[in-house]
Amino acid sequence: DAKTTQPTSMDCAEGRAANLPCNHSTISGNEYVYWYRQIHSQGPQYIIHGLKNNETNEMASLIITEDRKSSTLILPHATLRDTAVYYCIAYSNSGYALNFGKGTSLLVTP
Amino acid sequence: DAGITQSPRHKVTETGTPVTLRCHQTENHRYMYWYRQDPGHGLRLIHYSYGVKDTDKGEVSDGYSVSRSKTEDFLLTLESATSSQTSVYFCAIGGLQETQYFGPGTRLLVL
Repeated sequence: DAKTTQPTSMDCAEGRAANLPCNHSTISGNEYVYWYRQIHSQGPQYIIHGLKNNETNEMASLIITEDRKSSTLILPHATLRDTAVYYCIAYSNSGYALNFGKGTSLLVTP
Repeated sequence: DAGITQSPRHKVTETGTPVTLRCHQTENHRYMYWYRQDPGHGLRLIHYSYGVKDTDKGEVSDGYSVSRSKTEDFLLTLESATSSQTSVYFCAIGGLQETQYFGPGTRLLVL
């Protein structure tokens, strides 16, 4: 699975949109872009995933560039409970392990 | 939540003691996984299962064994626990053409 690159940390004011970038320039055609987050001491929580098209669900939106080399996770109205480490993962749904990397630590402030 | 429970949630044990962690799912997923999470290493795959009685090793399988006699249960055993196995253990389900969902974790301390 392709390697992903994310900023180490980001801040966001409560109520504002949080835009978390991810670079996956070597992603292959059969790899999805997955986003998970991990709130302190809890298990990783699935957020959203996509292949080519932009996706939206009740938690977030995922914007994937046309060349698929990067993507952005958008939390439209961040709350304090969104403070977590966010992981962007390129995964082919092969059945093997997810490579979580180091992720982005998002701090939402009042 | 994806119908995954782990037991126990916390355990303290002594070096050399056998320990078994249990992962139980109610989703009927074929694939199940055991990961461990340590500071500076992220999540690493220990073992996974692709069906009843079908298991394979992951990145950090030394010192661990697994068993899956029923679709819903995946057991992780530390035959003789060592201090280096102090960690947080996460079970996950899904995977092949499916999203992986994670359990709440088990915190294990080996003294």
